[in-house]
Amino acid sequence: NAGVMQNPRHLVRRRGQEARLRCSPMKGHSHVYWYRQLPEEGLKFMVYLQKENIIDESGMPKERFSAEFPKEGPSILRIQQVVRGDSAAYFCASSLARNTGELFFGEGSRLTVL
Amino acid sequence: DAKTTQPTSMDCAEGRAANLPCNHSTISGNEYVYWYRQIHSQGPQYIIHGLKNNETNEMASLIITEDRKSSTLILPHATLRDTAVYYCIVLGGNEKLTFGTGTRLTIIP
Repeated sequence: NAGVMQNPRHLVRRRGQEARLRCSPMKGHSHVYWYRQLPEEGLKFMVYLQKENIIDESGMPKERFSAEFPKEGPSILRIQQVVRGDSAAYFCASSLARNTGELFFGEGSRLTVL
Repeated sequence: DAKTTQPTSMDCAEGRAANLPCNHSTISGNEYVYWYRQIHSQGPQYIIHGLKNNETNEMASLIITEDRKSSTLILPHATLRDTAVYYCIVLGGNEKLTFGTGTRLTIIP
């Protein structure tokens, strides 16, 4: 009974490269959320997706960041042309239903930009 | 404009009950109180939630005052593994889970 699976757990990229973070929700969950936690800061909401649809992207930076949750396969958070300020822990969560506060989080993907 | 106020940090002796307070004086009738925790370097973990009645599960108890303006999360027998940042979150329908700064709870051996 796997929980939310995120990979890679650690990713190192040089400035200007692309980072792709993957999230497989819990079995049966069709709602996925991405949060970012900068070093020594709190968790900030980025985006909420339901299968094939972006529901709320109010926390996503306007440029270089995109997210998808295709019909088949994991959700992907993509960061193009990474900069040092993108270094952070990126957490994915899933839920069974919409409009619920009971989210199940993964262990996070830690991105380091050199 | 924060919906909740929590102490920045607290200590509790191992084996004792940890009582974590939260003020949410502007809570509205359809908003729930949720508690999460984040152990160092791990993903946040859901603990419990309630609307107006007290709630208990295998992890903790949640006591909500009658006027709903404050609540207390109780960990009945704290262990070292309960050391974490605890977040009290007020959430209504259609809202996204928003984390504040929480309370850093340290369990002392």
